[in-house]
Amino acid sequence: GQQVMQIPQYQHVQEGEDFTTYCNSSTTLSNIQWYKQRPGGHPVFLIQLVKSGEVKKQKRLTFQFGEAKKNSSLHITATQTTDVGTYFCAPDTGTASKLTFGTGTRLQVTL
Amino acid sequence: EAGVTQSPTHLIKTRGQQATLRCSPISGHTSVYWYQQALGLGLQFLLWYDEGEERNRGNFPPRFSGRQFPNYSSELNVNALELEDSALYLCASSLGDPYNEQFFGPGTRLTVL
Repeated sequence: GQQVMQIPQYQHVQEGEDFTTYCNSSTTLSNIQWYKQRPGGHPVFLIQLVKSGEVKKQKRLTFQFGEAKKNSSLHITATQTTDVGTYFCAPDTGTASKLTFGTGTRLQVTL
Repeated sequence: EAGVTQSPTHLIKTRGQQATLRCSPISGHTSVYWYQQALGLGLQFLLWYDEGEERNRGNFPPRFSGRQFPNYSSELNVNALELEDSALYLCASSLGDPYNEQFFGPGTRLTVL
């Protein structure tokens, strides 16, 4: 079956450093969503990527979808303490009739 | 516009009891999803309801069940509670299918003693 690996599981950075999380699938994806969950909060939708090679930006966040549509990344430039939380990818294989979330990457940012 | 609401916020039960969790989706959303998030773990898909029908379920035993009402609200029932059922149960809603943006509620924290 489809396997989704999200790496790293945890990253601790100093404020101002960059951060990247990767989501890798063993099968081709129809699209992929990204969510952020703050500590003690609930997941909040960030973005959806659909096209091969797509790149989307939201302020300091850059989302990429691989050319083969098997992987995706979220890059944060110059992290801030407000970026703290767990980032989940949610890949869609087009067959499962459900949204499967990756294991998540927990980001900790310190001053 | 009101978001997804869930009740209760916290629920404490003992092993063997039954728990009922409730969810009201965003107005206009017909699909409701339930997820289990054990402490420090990811989101595990439980159930998907749309237009009153169960469309899909995750790899959970039959003692996890639910339903969706005509007003699209939903409830999740967990029978014969076990200690490992302790988790945050999140409800989400969307327009139509799971691949549209999902809006999550604040969750119900279930503790089984």
